[in-house]
Amino acid sequence: SQQGEEDPQALSIQEGENATMNCSYKTSINNLQWYRQNSGRGLVHLILIRSNEREKHSGRLRVTLDTSKKSSSLLITASRAADTASYFCATVPLGGFKTIFGAGTRLFVKA
Amino acid sequence: DAGVIQSPRHEVTEMGQEVTLRCKPISGHDYLFWYRQTMMRGLELLIYFNNNVPIDDSGMPEDRFSAKMPNASFSTLKIQPSEPRDSAVYFCASSLRARQETQYFGPGTRLLVL
Repeated sequence: SQQGEEDPQALSIQEGENATMNCSYKTSINNLQWYRQNSGRGLVHLILIRSNEREKHSGRLRVTLDTSKKSSSLLITASRAADTASYFCATVPLGGFKTIFGAGTRLFVKA
Repeated sequence: DAGVIQSPRHEVTEMGQEVTLRCKPISGHDYLFWYRQTMMRGLELLIYFNNNVPIDDSGMPEDRFSAKMPNASFSTLKIQPSEPRDSAVYFCASSLRARQETQYFGPGTRLLVL
């Protein structure tokens, strides 16, 4: 089963609106990362949040991490059509070796 | 830096043929990863290398798959013989230092086995 599971599976919003995606995981982790994948392209790293951090910002991105609930959220503010992509969370279990990617959230931003 | 380079970008082959996918990681990166992405199974880690040495190949589906990293700037993933169920997008990624840090992905090779 997946270590990281995103929710929702798909999200459609209007340009200018905020988009929130959630990720839940099963075991303790060192850090959690969010990646974006445009159609037909490789994954691009967006942001990394460590287990001792609760919130992190990067431009229009805001990531939160709640280790007690084993969950994270990615907020994209003032979305643009160019934000249309799939978004994946990735975790490495504490003491583990492999980065495990969730199934992803497909975001569609309508112009 | 040009980023992670993969070739070919697309490959169409017939069942039973040998397929070789190539990857050039970012210079100076110590870790190299091979992933496979399908609609059904999502993104799966096949194998990763540290300093050219295979560390974990438990994700390699079966003996038909093999991977090598003869030097720090080149890796191959070979499928022999190929089967239609191997059709997927194969990504190579590299990272600097620790395995748990940011991975930089190549553009992928889209493989179709007929």
